[in-house]
Amino acid sequence: GQQLNQSPQSMFIQEGEDVSMNCTSSSIFNTWLWYKQDPGEGPVLLIALYKAGELTSNGRLTAQFGITRKDSFLNISASIPSDVGIYFCAGWATTSGTYKYIFGTGTRLKVLA
Amino acid sequence: EAQVTQNPRYLITVTGKKLTVTCSQNMNHEYMSWYRQDPGLGLRQIYYSMNVEVTDKGDVPEGYKVSRKEKRNFPLILESPSPNQTSLYFCASSLRTGGTEAFFGQGTRLTVV
Repeated sequence: GQQLNQSPQSMFIQEGEDVSMNCTSSSIFNTWLWYKQDPGEGPVLLIALYKAGELTSNGRLTAQFGITRKDSFLNISASIPSDVGIYFCAGWATTSGTYKYIFGTGTRLKVLA
Repeated sequence: EAQVTQNPRYLITVTGKKLTVTCSQNMNHEYMSWYRQDPGLGLRQIYYSMNVEVTDKGDVPEGYKVSRKEKRNFPLILESPSPNQTSLYFCASSLRTGGTEAFFGQGTRLTVV
């Protein structure tokens, strides 16, 4: 099935470091969304992007909607221990006139204090 | 409080014993979907529904059934569970199809022995 390619798969970083992850697709997306999943919980929305080229910040998080509409990245600045979790990109894909909400494979982030 | 409620949170069952995982949302959302989450595979869509009585297969529908008789409820049915359906399941809803964020339930951890 259709899925978004997300990289890296996992990251181990020191507290205070910046983090960057990205998501690519072979097809065009009209919306890109980034979610975070804490252990034992469902994913929660971090940032939503609705226009190609859009750059949006939410506190220490910054995300961009790629100009080609086939990619997006998420940056986390000055990481802290509570940033630990799995980060997913997501978007709405259209196939034969129907919409599916699909997710990337996830980036597992671990922050070392 | 706006939320998506799944039940049960944890379930251990035996092969072949029919089970239902319930999902209910109180936000009057049109779009609802079910995902399974397995290590390294991200969130894969099982089934989705664009509105009452409108359901369609996602990427991994085999062994599952759904129904959408009311807007708020979207149960997931496993008629004859097998061990390969052991997974973490999430229900999600969105205001409408295309372009909006998804709200997730807390997840159901299912073990089939």
